[in-house]
Amino acid sequence: NAGVTQTPKFRVLKTGQSMTLLCAQDMNHEYMYWYRQDPGMGLRLIHYSVGEGTTAKGEVPDGYNVSRLKKQNFLLGLESAAPSQTSVYFCASSLPRGPYEQYFGPGTRLTVT
Amino acid sequence: DAKTTQPTSMDCAEGRAANLPCNHSTISGNEYVYWYRQIHSQGPQYIIHGLKNNETNEMASLIITEDRKSSTLILPHATLRDTAVYYCIVRTPDKLIFGTGTRLQVFP
Repeated sequence: NAGVTQTPKFRVLKTGQSMTLLCAQDMNHEYMYWYRQDPGMGLRLIHYSVGEGTTAKGEVPDGYNVSRLKKQNFLLGLESAAPSQTSVYFCASSLPRGPYEQYFGPGTRLTVT
Repeated sequence: DAKTTQPTSMDCAEGRAANLPCNHSTISGNEYVYWYRQIHSQGPQYIIHGLKNNETNEMASLIITEDRKSSTLILPHATLRDTAVYYCIVRTPDKLIFGTGTRLQVFP
């Protein structure tokens, strides 16, 4: 099993450009999450999904959109990138409610100039 | 969501036990305490979780006080590879809320 994979690993955008980050998991997990981590800080939840076709807002959802068209994929979109969105983005997945651990991907380092 | 409070940083000698404290005084009865760690810039790694009882696995032990307002993660024999940021999290039913964690430095 590959676990949780993220594409791309690195990306540089100019202000105003758009892009989509892809998260894929092969563990048949219902729940998936997108986090961002800024230097010296913990992870902050952007959006999450409790199943195919569902999404919900986390702590810092503004400026991002997400879609979960397939159970194994969770997409994070930036419609008009801003320098404040420079960060490392982590995706995670887990089984449904209950004491289940989250499995994290390796991260995507995004720089917006 | 219940908040957690952890020391910003700690040091530990290699081979000694590392005891990482966490306060979670607003935890509710059905909320679990989770511990994750993040080594350098990698994705966080699950360590252990508990509800009321003390727990142990191959990585660590988790001691939760009887009133559940605090807990301690114990790495019994710390190695240099245990140098990381350790996050104590009180889990809501659907999500984890990370704080800033404790940076543990293990030295030779």
